[in-house]
Amino acid sequence: ILNVEQSPQSLHVQEGDSTNFTCSFPSSNFYALHWYRWETAKSPEALFVMTLNGDEKKKGRISATLNTKEGYSYLYIKGSQPEDSATYLCASPSGNTPLVFGKGTRLSVIA
Amino acid sequence: NAGVTQTPKFQVLKTGQSMTLQCAQDMNHEYMSWYRQDPGMGLRLIHYSVGAGITDQGEVPNGYNVSRSTTEDFPLRLLSAAPSQTSVYFCASSSGQPYFYGSGEQYFGPGTRLTVT
Repeated sequence: ILNVEQSPQSLHVQEGDSTNFTCSFPSSNFYALHWYRWETAKSPEALFVMTLNGDEKKKGRISATLNTKEGYSYLYIKGSQPEDSATYLCASPSGNTPLVFGKGTRLSVIA
Repeated sequence: NAGVTQTPKFQVLKTGQSMTLQCAQDMNHEYMSWYRQDPGMGLRLIHYSVGAGITDQGEVPNGYNVSRSTTEDFPLRLLSAAPSQTSVYFCASSSGQPYFYGSGEQYFGPGTRLTVT
């Protein structure tokens, strides 16, 4: 199973700052790239599923881009708010495994 | 819709005991899966099913069995619990396999926290 990697592992930003983090995934035999938001004591919730190279998706202040040729995706949060504090997971099919998750980026937004 | 439900929420087992974690969904989803979440490891796929009667192994299947007799239910069985199976277990479902836009978005249950002593 090829790895899905996320960086940074954790991030602390001030309220109002914009931020971004990275997901790297195997570019060969690419099918889809998933982003999930996981708040403490809750379950992961889907943000985006992206399949097309160059695709950009947006949900409120959160957006994501996809580069399937080089195997990376960026998640951007504009004007971070304390309620954005969560762990952000990316996942992609890898080898014979339908979905392999990265270890996540833990975001803390300080008011 | 209740979405994806899991029972129990918490469970403590002794080494060697067996038990079944229950998972049900009411969204008529074909694809269901079980993950375990361990500190520093992220979510790892245990078993998955693409429809009733069809199951397959994920990344970490050893020590676990699954069956899918109905579309709604996907129980996970621990055959002989070991301390290494102490974890938080999540069940998830989607209308299609995760490979595809428009159907692969995963809906997660609330999780079961299992401790094996």
